[in-house]
Amino acid sequence: EDQVTQSPEALRLQEGESSSLNCSYTVSGLRGLFWYRQDPGKGPEFLFTLYSAGEEKEKERLKATLTKKESFLHITAPKPEDSATYLCAGFYYNQGGKLIFGQGTELSVKP
Amino acid sequence: EPEVTQTPSHQVTQMGQEVILRCVPISNHLYFYWYRQILGQKVEFLVSFYNNEISEKSEIFDDQFSVERPDGSNFTLKIRSTKLEDSAMYFCASSGRLNTEAFFGQGTRLTVV
Repeated sequence: EDQVTQSPEALRLQEGESSSLNCSYTVSGLRGLFWYRQDPGKGPEFLFTLYSAGEEKEKERLKATLTKKESFLHITAPKPEDSATYLCAGFYYNQGGKLIFGQGTELSVKP
Repeated sequence: EPEVTQTPSHQVTQMGQEVILRCVPISNHLYFYWYRQILGQKVEFLVSFYNNEISEKSEIFDDQFSVERPDGSNFTLKIRSTKLEDSAMYFCASSGRLNTEAFFGQGTRLTVV
C-alpha cells in the first residue's frame, strides 16, 4: 500500500527562525507530490506541485523541493501568520487522481 | 478567484438517516473528488469521478455511499444510512486535468448522533 509520512508531527518556531518540514513517500509509481496548507476547520489550500526529482518551487517564505525519495518544505524567516498544518500528498499512476495524504506537520510560529 | 463551494457547512443527523452533501466544483474542471477527515486524523480519499462515472474509490466508499452529478454544476455525496463513525469533515475537490492540483472546498462537518 502506498504511504506518505510527514515529520515532525508538530514544530514550534520563533518568528524569524527558519526550518524545514519533511515528507517521505512510497517511491514506486509516484507521479508527483502536492503541498497544501490547512487552517483549523478549513479545507486544504493548494501551495505547490512537484513532479520531478530536483524540482523546486517558491512562494513568499516557502520553498518546496523534491528528491528521489522525499520532499522538503523550507520555511524562511517565518511569521505568526504562517502558523497552520502543512500537508503533503502523493499521487500515483493509474489511481484515478487519488491523493494519499500524510498526517501533516502542525507549525506554530510565536512572535 | 474561482473556488469550490460546499453546503451545508455543518450538518447534524441521527444515526440511520440519509444525508446528502453538496458541492459546486470550479466551473471548467472535469475531475471531482470527495475526501473525509476524522477529527485529528489524516485526510482520506473516498472517491474520484470523471465523465459521469467513478474513476477510483477507496475501501471506505462502500454501498452506503454514492455520488452523483445531477446537473452541470453540482456534485453530491449521499450516505444512505449514517453511522456514528461517519462523523467527520467531508471535503469536495476538483481539478482541471488528471494528476494536476486539486482545489478543495471549505468542507461540511457531519455529526451523527
